[in-house]
Amino acid sequence: DTAVSQTPKYLVTQMGNDKSIKCEQNLGHDTMYWYKQDSKKFLKIMFSYNNKELIINETVPNRFSPKSPDKAHLNLHINSLELGDSAVYFCASSQDIRDIQYFGAGTRLSVL
Amino acid sequence: KQEVTQIPAALSVPEGENLVLNCSFTDSAIYNLQWFRQDPGKGLTSLLLIQSSQREQTSGRLNASLDKSSGRSTLYIAASQPGDSATYLCAVKFLGPAGKSTFGDGTTLTVKP
Repeated sequence: DTAVSQTPKYLVTQMGNDKSIKCEQNLGHDTMYWYKQDSKKFLKIMFSYNNKELIINETVPNRFSPKSPDKAHLNLHINSLELGDSAVYFCASSQDIRDIQYFGAGTRLSVL
Repeated sequence: KQEVTQIPAALSVPEGENLVLNCSFTDSAIYNLQWFRQDPGKGLTSLLLIQSSQREQTSGRLNASLDKSSGRSTLYIAASQPGDSATYLCAVKFLGPAGKSTFGDGTTLTVKP
């Protein structure tokens, strides 16, 4: 069983489109995260939710909107996609903010 | 500003060698430090987590140390194998209500047979 699963694994889309990436964890964790890894492999946090509440919101354009319908899910919706949004997006979870983070396999987004 | 730096950026060693990867951070007020491994095109695999109150953690051939006062951590890999080839990332979770993790840029390790 995959602990943290993301869908889709690959996403190719045109500029200006709106797309969503889904994340689910079956570990019973309270905290979930979204990270972005750019072409230089630098990994940076975007958002974090604890018990469905937003606790970290880095300087991310408001075209990016996370949604946590329940503790096990944290989805990422992106409006009006731009070329610079092309990256690998990783979802992660941890029991709480001090515990080990477990990562999903990533979603490779390519904006054409 | 809370920053994490990893040196070297790349390392190539022959199989069987012991090696050390370095991670430094600018603020000693941390919850924990976590070492990850990332294979090309793959996600991150957690290797070791050291809480701020701990000095080291061991798992198999891996040993991670933490010196909060000097803002440093090392990942020691004993008897390296070609299968250890990957990028190793250090993530520091700084103190604060949200416990934000900051990642280093990683060290890309190549172990030659």
